[in-house]
Amino acid sequence: NAGVTQTPKFQVLKTGQSMTLQCAQDMNHNSMYWYRQDPGMGLRLIYYSASEGTTDKGEVPNGYNVSRLNKREFSLRLESAAPSQTSVYFCASSTLQGTDTQYFGPGTRLTVL
Amino acid sequence: RKEVEQDPGPFNVPEGATVAFNCTYSNSASQSFFWYRQDCRKEPKLLMSVYSSGNEDGRFTAQLNRASQYISLLIRDSKLSDSATYLCVVNKPSGTYKYIFGTGTRLKVLA
Repeated sequence: NAGVTQTPKFQVLKTGQSMTLQCAQDMNHNSMYWYRQDPGMGLRLIYYSASEGTTDKGEVPNGYNVSRLNKREFSLRLESAAPSQTSVYFCASSTLQGTDTQYFGPGTRLTVL
Repeated sequence: RKEVEQDPGPFNVPEGATVAFNCTYSNSASQSFFWYRQDCRKEPKLLMSVYSSGNEDGRFTAQLNRASQYISLLIRDSKLSDSATYLCVVNKPSGTYKYIFGTGTRLKVLA
């Protein structure tokens, strides 16, 4: 049972480059989330998708875009990477939004030079 | 005041010890509470949900105190494998996002 998968695991970008982080879940969950984790900051929500076809901004959405491609997949795009976006990115999913257990992917470690 | 606050630690305890962490939250309307465990450079994983009546899972006990707005996690008979960061998670009933994560409390169990 794969659960939540993320690709890539590691990425190094130069300032101004773009990239898309991929996330997929096989648990038939309705809600999906993108977080970033920085030292001393805890996990901060970037975007979430309560259900297929909907997306909403979280706490720190600037510089990111998302696409809920179907029920399984939720991608995060950095259009023009900045050093401030150096972080570990986690995708998560849950059955219900806000009240249910979240399951996390293994994370993507992104460095922007 | 932060919405969810935790003592960052580290808590260094010997094997077999009992250790407790607290987490305070600011939104009295919060309804769902969780403890997650995160190992170094890994993803967070659910340790346990926290119910109003308190709940126990083996060596782990979670309590909720709504009046004082905090949740606690008690670990008995600590094992080396319990060494990790423990994240407190609280739902946010209103606003643009639904879960608030604490910054975590780091536990080191020493042989």
